[in-house]
Amino acid sequence: GAGVSQSPSNKVTEKGKDVELRCDPISGHTALYWYRQSLGQGLEFLIYFQGNSAPDKSGLPSDRFSAERTGGSVSTLTIQRTQQEDSAVYLCASSQDSLSGNTIYFGEGSWLTVV
Amino acid sequence: SQKIEQNSEALNIQEGKTATLTCNYTNYSPAYLQWYRQDPGRGPVFLLLIRENEKEKRKERLKVTFDTTLKQSLFHITASQPADSATYLCALPGGWGKLQFGAGTQVVVTP
Repeated sequence: GAGVSQSPSNKVTEKGKDVELRCDPISGHTALYWYRQSLGQGLEFLIYFQGNSAPDKSGLPSDRFSAERTGGSVSTLTIQRTQQEDSAVYLCASSQDSLSGNTIYFGEGSWLTVV
Repeated sequence: SQKIEQNSEALNIQEGKTATLTCNYTNYSPAYLQWYRQDPGRGPVFLLLIRENEKEKRKERLKVTFDTTLKQSLFHITASQPADSATYLCALPGGWGKLQFGAGTQVVVTP
């Protein structure tokens, strides 16, 4: 597609339920990022995929969070047993590669509300 | 990883004036630094990249400087317009290719 596509754009879920957020990066981009942004806060790095390398999961806040990237393209971020503090915007981004300062392109985010 | 500091207070500025934002970092000097703009409810949008061997970069009414001695980048919006009102984020490589963002500074341009 022309840009990074994320779905759903909005999700309201009950505490304790699992959620899956999807990211479809720009075609041909080898690097894919997930960030989280709470209301009025900066971007918190979660996880990063670069080509076929093992993902950098150093930003995942707990073992309830996981992500995968199938076939080097679409990525899914899964949050198990959601908690109210998980409420935030989850932003996905992609770039051609991440090693030379290429621009990263963000999607519009998935707004998650845990009630 | 880096500690990145941006002024958390909103910058209120009159139309036509120059807005200057600061981004300070505390650890190793990065190979490059980027600036992004974020509007409410939207994802950040790339504006400018400046590399460590560049002192200054310009794009239309935007100017970025990079001082590796001071560990600081300045972002200027000249002849500011109400449409420039947004939050501006600086970003640096955080190691192994990932990009680390500052918390951003909100700019409000009043007519």
